[in-house]
Amino acid sequence: DVKVTQSSRYLVKRTGEKVFLECVQDMDHENMFWYRQDPGLGLRLIYFSYDVKMKEKGDIPEGYSVSREKKERFSLILESASTNQTSMYLCASSLGDSAGANVLTFGAGSRLTVL
Amino acid sequence: GQNIDQPTEMTATEGAIVQINCTYQTSGFNGLFWYQQHAGEAPTFLSYNVLDGLEEKGRFSSFLSRSKGYSYLLLKELQMKDSASYLCALMDSNYQLIWGAGTKLIIKP
Repeated sequence: DVKVTQSSRYLVKRTGEKVFLECVQDMDHENMFWYRQDPGLGLRLIYFSYDVKMKEKGDIPEGYSVSREKKERFSLILESASTNQTSMYLCASSLGDSAGANVLTFGAGSRLTVL
Repeated sequence: GQNIDQPTEMTATEGAIVQINCTYQTSGFNGLFWYQQHAGEAPTFLSYNVLDGLEEKGRFSSFLSRSKGYSYLLLKELQMKDSASYLCALMDSNYQLIWGAGTKLIIKP
């Protein structure tokens, strides 16, 4: 079964801490995405990547950075966590950039609480 | 601008039919997706429409009218396991997804 695996389901961090959220996919997908999901809001795109070592800002990149050193791994980094970054973080991947190939496969999510 | 709207919550009875609507405004369109998300789980793909009309997949069907900026997801013979949030997502001219806030569907026995 194809999978997108997020390393941590639940994290609790303190304000100012550096946070790493790891995501690995085993489908040889080109595209990888990081979203955050908050109640009452649609998924919001933080960063995405169409290739190794490539990254593009999404709609809400402030306070975040990403790393894609290998095709299968896409990491989200919070350099200095703040309470407004408390959220559910979803990683996703897709095959290509045509509409039909853009079906997303999501990881189970990482729920981050910043105290 | 672009925006996408769907009801926040709906309630339906086991065995019945429910229609979840999604309306959108966009300057460019490359299709509309529906995803299902059970509480605490990852969203999973349900359907994709790029042409007008109805796409049927078992108990689930999805409809699109591009001229009206309107889609719906139709769920028949509802089962308790259909209790979930249903996410509508529009793909714009740059192949970027714009997501609705999701509709929480509650199924009652």
